Amino acid sequence: GENVEQHPSTLSVQEGDSAVIKCTYSDSASNYFPWYKQELGKGPQLIIDIRSNVGEKKDQRIAVTLNKTAKHFSLHITETQPEDSAVYFCAPTPLGNQFYFGTGTSLTVIP
Amino acid sequence: DAGVTQSPTHLIKTRGQQVTLRCSPISGHKSVSWYQQVLGQGPQFIFQYYEKEERGRGNFPDRFSARQFPNYSSELNVNALLLGDSALYLCASSLYRQGDTQYFGPGTRLTVL
Repeated sequence: GENVEQHPSTLSVQEGDSAVIKCTYSDSASNYFPWYKQELGKGPQLIIDIRSNVGEKKDQRIAVTLNKTAKHFSLHITETQPEDSAVYFCAPTPLGNQFYFGTGTSLTVIP
Repeated sequence: DAGVTQSPTHLIKTRGQQVTLRCSPISGHKSVSWYQQVLGQGPQFIFQYYEKEERGRGNFPDRFSARQFPNYSSELNVNALLLGDSALYLCASSLYRQGDTQYFGPGTRLTVL
């Protein structure tokens, strides 16, 4: 099965700074790479995703970059705001019937 | 449009009991997946159902079962509850089955005493 690791496990940044979270996976068949944000007491919310034929995707302050050769993809948040504080999960997805989530990164944005 | 809905929101059971959790997918979505999320960890995949058939199963014991109805809603059943089954149970829906975007519900918090 897929081995998924996220780094760092916790991250604290000052408001306005950038945050980067890296996800490393093992299954070379993975072809869909989403990032989810989970706030306390809520279900995960999709914030950005990328398919394997694209190297980078940006949506306002959020971007995802993919390096399929090295089997990792990263979440970039610029101009962080206190409401960005949450736990972030990556979920690299191969074609097939199994879904794997990373271990999570707890982001704290300090006002 | 309504998102994924789950019921109940919270549930308290004792060891050995059985529980049924319910999920309604986004309108038009034909696939439902179930996840278990223990506090402090990422969601763990339990089942995926597509067009009323089981299409994927994670590494969970046979005490866990599920089904999908003709209207694409789904139920997750857990028998002979253990303390370790205490978790947030999440349902996610997607249009199709493979490699498709999943949208999550708010979850059902199950506490086993």
